[in-house]
Amino acid sequence: QKEVEQNSGPLSVPEGAIASLNCTYSDRVSQSFFWYRQYSGKSPELIMSIYSNGDKEDGRFTAQLNKASQYVSLLIRDSQPSDSATYLCAVDTGRRALTFGSGTRLQVQP
Amino acid sequence: NAGVTQTPKFRILKIGQSMTLQCTQDMNHNYMYWYRQDPGMGLKLIYYSVGAGITDKGEVPNGYNVSRSTTEDFPLRLELAAPSQTSVYFCASTPRGPVGEKLFFGSGTQLSVL
Repeated sequence: QKEVEQNSGPLSVPEGAIASLNCTYSDRVSQSFFWYRQYSGKSPELIMSIYSNGDKEDGRFTAQLNKASQYVSLLIRDSQPSDSATYLCAVDTGRRALTFGSGTRLQVQP
Repeated sequence: NAGVTQTPKFRILKIGQSMTLQCTQDMNHNYMYWYRQDPGMGLKLIYYSVGAGITDKGEVPNGYNVSRSTTEDFPLRLELAAPSQTSVYFCASTPRGPVGEKLFFGSGTQLSVL
């Protein structure tokens, strides 16, 4: 079982819709969870971090964490074509480094 | 402020050649990382360092070596390059570890081994 799993996609949504990206992790000791966005040919950039169960909102982005189910998600409201990118879920497993999922490619159709 | 600088941006190697990927940061960060990203995949940790003189293996260290003689520099050495090492390599840094801090990434090195 992979430590951090994501659906590779592509996930295609129309402009203005809500995009829902999901991530599951295997290590129950994980305490910190991150979403990075990566445009094609570019390096990843942090968009959200979440440490406690529940929702965390930042503008059009909402991260959701459920530690009992070992599940973290990212919702993007009012999706824009500029949101088209690969979204990487990353988990801190206490090893002084993040473990990344394989990423979900999001396509927002104008 | 330059941040994390990686050189070269692109490189083609022949099988069996060796090279060093350079990474330097000017933010006085203690933690530095090397990740590789294969096409359509996520980032896999090669090596990391929590300070000058301290390095440790990540998930995929075979075929690579690192050193950390200064806080600023964290070079990655490839010995006897193999086609399986064709990938994009990212160096990253953070002040005190990945928890509660974002990773600052370099722009990457695209390496092809033919």
